[in-house]
Amino acid sequence: GAGVSQSPSNKVTEKGKDVELRCDPISGHTALYWYRQRLGQGLEFLIYFQGNSAPDKSGLPSDRFSAERTGESVSTLTIQRTQQEDSAVYLCASSPTNHYEQYFGPGTRLTVT
Amino acid sequence: AQTVTQSQPEMSVQEAETVTLSCTYDTSENNYYLFWYKQPPSRQMILVIRQEAYKQQNATENRFSVNFQKAAKSFSLKISDSQLGDTAMYFCAFMKPFSGTYKYIFGTGTRLKVLA
Repeated sequence: GAGVSQSPSNKVTEKGKDVELRCDPISGHTALYWYRQRLGQGLEFLIYFQGNSAPDKSGLPSDRFSAERTGESVSTLTIQRTQQEDSAVYLCASSPTNHYEQYFGPGTRLTVT
Repeated sequence: AQTVTQSQPEMSVQEAETVTLSCTYDTSENNYYLFWYKQPPSRQMILVIRQEAYKQQNATENRFSVNFQKAAKSFSLKISDSQLGDTAMYFCAFMKPFSGTYKYIFGTGTRLKVLA
């Protein structure tokens, strides 16, 4: 079946512009995660959605970052007024209910110039 | 707070040899889950192996096995008969389910190169 998809695969933007990254989870997966991966580093948790529960936003680095998810479908991560330090690969993962394996998308490589 | 440490930023191994990647973690919890994820150069992360903390038996998946030492808070990954396709970044991860939430903490990764 189809895996987790993310778009765009690459995004180059100018400092100060807003960007929107999209994640399409595997159908039926109730949990959805966003991570940031800076070059050569590990995964930094950003936000977690679980069904209709309030999202866990504890990893969002600043109020310039926000994310939405409609039900158990697509999610968008928005970064406002981008800064050069926002340059990274943004990974999305989804997981079925009460399941401990995450299924990752290919990521979006964001470059802020 | 839980932390995960991978002390080997890079490793290399000859094809067909065995290599062990280290991971230590810090937690006061008793029930949790540990994972090894693989991220090939193509970037898509996939699960390699999973260990439940309440299980004493070490998890095994074909050529991949773990050495889980709960008291020492150590969770190393052994890759036997290494293949060129094993070249990737390997991430160790910790997860503690709590009240329906499942948040993961990842280590900084070990870059493994398998040499022909």
